[in-house]
Amino acid sequence: DGGITQSPKYLFRKEGQNVTLSCEQNLNHDAMYWYRQDPGQGLRLIYYSQIVNDFQKGDIAEGYSVSREKKESFPLTVTSAQKNPTAFYLCASNSRGVYGYTFGSGTRLTVV
Amino acid sequence: QKEVEQDPGPLSVPEGAIVSLNCTYSNSAFQYFMWYRQYSRKGPELLMYTYSSGNKEDGRFTAQVDKSSKYISLFIRDSQPSDSATYLCAMSANDYKLSFGAGTTVTVRA
Repeated sequence: DGGITQSPKYLFRKEGQNVTLSCEQNLNHDAMYWYRQDPGQGLRLIYYSQIVNDFQKGDIAEGYSVSREKKESFPLTVTSAQKNPTAFYLCASNSRGVYGYTFGSGTRLTVV
Repeated sequence: QKEVEQDPGPLSVPEGAIVSLNCTYSNSAFQYFMWYRQYSRKGPELLMYTYSSGNKEDGRFTAQVDKSSKYISLFIRDSQPSDSATYLCAMSANDYKLSFGAGTTVTVRA
């Protein structure tokens, strides 16, 4: 079945450490997105990519980095510059002209 | 002021009741309106999608869009305990990016 796979489901980060969240899709979608979800704040856009080797900052890109070397993959790195990284991270994708997203099941990141 | 406003609730209703959810927005360029359902610790799933103003019905779910008032609604008829979830409104203009509401948590009591 087609879908989006996020891994790991749970991730723990120590202070000063960079961590990478994986997002893979087999839907042949052009665009991919990373959102952060905090209680009471809804989903906030971190980065998005509409084509391979190109991506744009969203509303809260500081402290995060991404790459899009393959159409299927859009990994997110949470760097040590992100001072409050504890949150639920969601990856999504869609195709050109289709305005609904397909979401992954999310990664819960906790700073320890 | 947030671009999309949604009352976070929580909302608790008895089984069989009508659930009424709504969002307001400030960006008049928004043309595409969606409702997502999110179960606890899961990713959101698309429930309803509407273009411009009007109503759309799908089974027990009805979505309404009033662009003149910048107001959208979702109604769930004959609510079931399995409808207990967080409901997120989302909308976009002419590009890919969606703007989301904060989500309303709904509990349907058996």
